[in-house]
Amino acid sequence: GENVEQHPSTLSVQEGDSAVIKCTYSDSASNYFPWYKQELGKRPQLIIDIRSNVGEKKDQRIAVTLNKTAKHFSLHITETQPEDSAVYFCAASINYGQNFVFGPGTRLSVLP
Amino acid sequence: DAGITQSPRYKITETGRQVTLMCHQTWSHSYMFWYRQDLGHGLRLIYYSAAADITDKGEVPDGYVVSRSKTENFPLTLESATRSQTSVYFCASGQGANEQYFGPGTRLTVT
Repeated sequence: GENVEQHPSTLSVQEGDSAVIKCTYSDSASNYFPWYKQELGKRPQLIIDIRSNVGEKKDQRIAVTLNKTAKHFSLHITETQPEDSAVYFCAASINYGQNFVFGPGTRLSVLP
Repeated sequence: DAGITQSPRYKITETGRQVTLMCHQTWSHSYMFWYRQDLGHGLRLIYYSAAADITDKGEVPDGYVVSRSKTENFPLTLESATRSQTSVYFCASGQGANEQYFGPGTRLTVT
C-alpha cells in the first residue's frame, strides 16, 4: 500500500522567513495530494491541495509543488507569521481522495 | 464547521467494553471517514463510506465496526476496547472523495 514520509518532523523559523516541508510517497498511482494544518487541540483543516496533472499551485503565501517522477511534493510558506505555527500534514491518495494516507506531520514554530 | 459534530467529545472506558463514537453531519455529504490520530503516526484511516449502506476499510480497520444507514450519520463502534485503541478519533465528511471537513474529535481513553 501507499506510504507517505514527511520531513522535517519539527521546524523552527523566524517570523518573515520561509518554511519548506517535504513529503515523499511510494505509490506511483497516487494522484491527489492535500496539505492540512492542525492547530493545537483543534481539527485538521485543508489549506491547499494539488492533483497529479499539475506541477505547482499557489494561494497567497502558500504554494505546493509536485514532482511525479521523483514522487515527492512540498509545501512552501513565505513571509511566515506567528499564526502559521501548527502541525502540518501531507497526504496522498488514489482516485482523488479515497483512502487517504497521511504523513506523520511537521510541527512548525514561527518565532517572533 | 458546525455542520459536522462528534459525540462524546471525551470518553473513558475499560478494556473489553463496547463503545460507540457518533458522527453527524448536516451537509448531506456523500463521503464520510473515520481516522485515529496518534503521536508519531499522524492520521490513519479506519473506515470510510461513499454513500449510505456503502462502507470500506481503510488502513487500520481491525477492532472497529461501522455502519451507515443514514447519509448524515456514521457511527464507529469498538466492539471490545483495548488499550491500544486509546487515541483521538476524528470523523470527516465531504461531497467528493477529495473533500475532508473534519469534526472536532473524540478523545478516547481505554483503561
